[in-house]
Amino acid sequence: SAVISQKPSRDICQRGTSLTIQCQVDSQVTMMFWYRQQPGQSLTLIATANQGSEATYESGFVIDKFPISRPNLTFSTLTVSNMSPEDSSIYLCSVEVGGADNEQFFGPGTRLTVL
Amino acid sequence: GQNIDQPTEMTATEGAIVQINCTYQTSGFNGLFWYQQHAGEAPTFLSYNVLDGLEEKGRFSSFLSRSKGYSYLLLKELQMKDSASYLCAVRGNTGGFKTIFGAGTRLFVKA
Repeated sequence: SAVISQKPSRDICQRGTSLTIQCQVDSQVTMMFWYRQQPGQSLTLIATANQGSEATYESGFVIDKFPISRPNLTFSTLTVSNMSPEDSSIYLCSVEVGGADNEQFFGPGTRLTVL
Repeated sequence: GQNIDQPTEMTATEGAIVQINCTYQTSGFNGLFWYQQHAGEAPTFLSYNVLDGLEEKGRFSSFLSRSKGYSYLLLKELQMKDSASYLCAVRGNTGGFKTIFGAGTRLFVKA
């Protein structure tokens, strides 16, 4: 299993500013994912962040808007840049720890509100 | 690409059985998951199917038919605490082993 913490848990930000979300895992993992979940909706994959390589972004998400760092096997950051109210969402970090079930564990999420 | 369909909402009675269906289309398949998500909380893992057939875990069972692109989650002896969203998710094997989630089925359990 994996225990994941995220900082901050929530924030209220002004339009045009940037916020960096931190994700810390209690064990070393290769595959780490960032998702966004807007109110009442399911999870949308933003990018896959594997240590030692550039993050891979899904359609509709670009590095300039959502730069990601993955400096080691237990930590990652996602920055939401030049924010607009449309970026208001919950951002979740997730890891896959392997094993028979390929289960993903999720962090508690960061609730972002952009005014 | 990947496409996942599941009903938006379902309502069932405490003590009853409910089946939540999921159909999917994917360019590569490496497993299907069901996750439970209570309002305001992170998703938690329920089940994983990679081969055809039924997997049973207590009150929850999950079925997969790869040829039909179909899965269902069966919840027995429903309890009020089962009221939650149930997310069907598919793990691909093209472009990396990423998991894509369906829109989720919101289940309401009534007394």
